[in-house]
Amino acid sequence: GESVGLHLPTLSVQEGDNSIINCAYSNSASDYFIWYKQESGKGPQFIIDIRSNMDKRQGQRVTVLLNKTVKHLSLQIAATQPGDSAVYFCAEIIGPQSGGSNYKLTFGKGTLLTVNP
Amino acid sequence: DTGVSQNPRHKITKRGQNVTFRCDPISEHNRLYWYRQTLGQGPEFLTYFQNEAQLEKSRLLSDRFSAERPKGSFSTLEIQRTEQGDSAMYLCASSLGYDEKLFFGSGTQLSVL
Repeated sequence: GESVGLHLPTLSVQEGDNSIINCAYSNSASDYFIWYKQESGKGPQFIIDIRSNMDKRQGQRVTVLLNKTVKHLSLQIAATQPGDSAVYFCAEIIGPQSGGSNYKLTFGKGTLLTVNP
Repeated sequence: DTGVSQNPRHKITKRGQNVTFRCDPISEHNRLYWYRQTLGQGPEFLTYFQNEAQLEKSRLLSDRFSAERPKGSFSTLEIQRTEQGDSAMYLCASSLGYDEKLFFGSGTQLSVL
């Protein structure tokens, strides 16, 4: 079964607000996590990544937090814009040294983010 | 545009027909992946290549599916004797190394009638 899951299937926010999308994972050996954004009819687009030896990583308007104690990952989007409306996936990679299979990326089901103007 | 190109974008076929999709990865990327995605779900791993070698295949990849990457550059995914359950978005991705981020193409949407 999937080891990566999301707490909420949908999230609706007002334009300008901050958004937080959560993700739980079950395999404590996961080495690497990636957040992807997918717009309708398009492939997943890389947003930000974080490795298991980090707790926080920031990009442009996005921050990923990793809490290995509770196996939880979150994506924070600052000043959410209508163009941020999409499905967001967290994905994990478990490396061979941690029992994984050749760095295969495994996705959860996704959260649909809707930004209201 | 991520630099990963997939063709065709859409394919409609009748049950029992064979279909072939093509993926052109980012040129310097030696890893190439195929994923399948159905509506409302995350992408599911099918198979991947390290250069021209196919190193892993998912149990989702039945005998009717075959993938090749003959020269370590572009890849093709063929589905023989298509079934309605094969209807999905087929995504290709490439990466520079074994633990590097994957860049996805826009996918090929397959509809089997």
